[in-house]
Amino acid sequence: DARVTQTPRHKVTEMGQEVTMRCQPILGHNTVFWYRQTMMQGLELLAYFRNRAPLDDSGMPKDRFSAEMPDATLATLKIQPSEPRDSAVYFCASGLVTKGRGEKLFFGSGTQLSVL
Amino acid sequence: DQQVKQNSPSLSVQEGRISILNCDYTNSMFDYFLWYKKYPAEGPTFLISISSIKDKNEDGRFTVFLNKSAKHLSLHIVPSQPGDSAVYFCGFKSRETSGSRLTFGEGTQLTVNP
Repeated sequence: DARVTQTPRHKVTEMGQEVTMRCQPILGHNTVFWYRQTMMQGLELLAYFRNRAPLDDSGMPKDRFSAEMPDATLATLKIQPSEPRDSAVYFCASGLVTKGRGEKLFFGSGTQLSVL
Repeated sequence: DQQVKQNSPSLSVQEGRISILNCDYTNSMFDYFLWYKKYPAEGPTFLISISSIKDKNEDGRFTVFLNKSAKHLSLHIVPSQPGDSAVYFCGFKSRETSGSRLTFGEGTQLTVNP
């Protein structure tokens, strides 16, 4: 049963610390997304990769957030330095883009981040 | 720039009745529409979708309606069951963007009471 795997499930850290969240997309999928869920904003898109190349990271605070895909099996989202306002659930999702559109995304279970 | 709006943060219905969840959008370039369901401590899961060439798509108890002139998307669940209690997100894809980039609404918490 293929699924998107995210680690860690929970992270509590102090303001100013570096946070790294990891995602293993479903094997064979060629798109990876990072979303953040907050109470007020719903699901916000932070970054989007296609075939490991970043296509859109306009939703990410550039001064402190960075997203990478070192290889096809790993995507990372880093926050340095972290701030209390970064506290949220961060979801990774993967999908398969084929000619045309309409494919659906598969989400991981998320990383619950708390910055004290 | 709020392109998608789910105006009801919560909805409560009785088991067996119809649940109607709504989304409004402003971007006329949206051409593919989806609904996702999210249980606590889990990621969202795909529920149902519709392309802009249709105005209705049905899958069992779930029906999605698209009113392009009103830029309105709705999800009907009938009959509603307690297991349907979850947060529902509408998702939109624009023909302006490549790949499968989805813009989501804020979510509606549905509670189905036994």
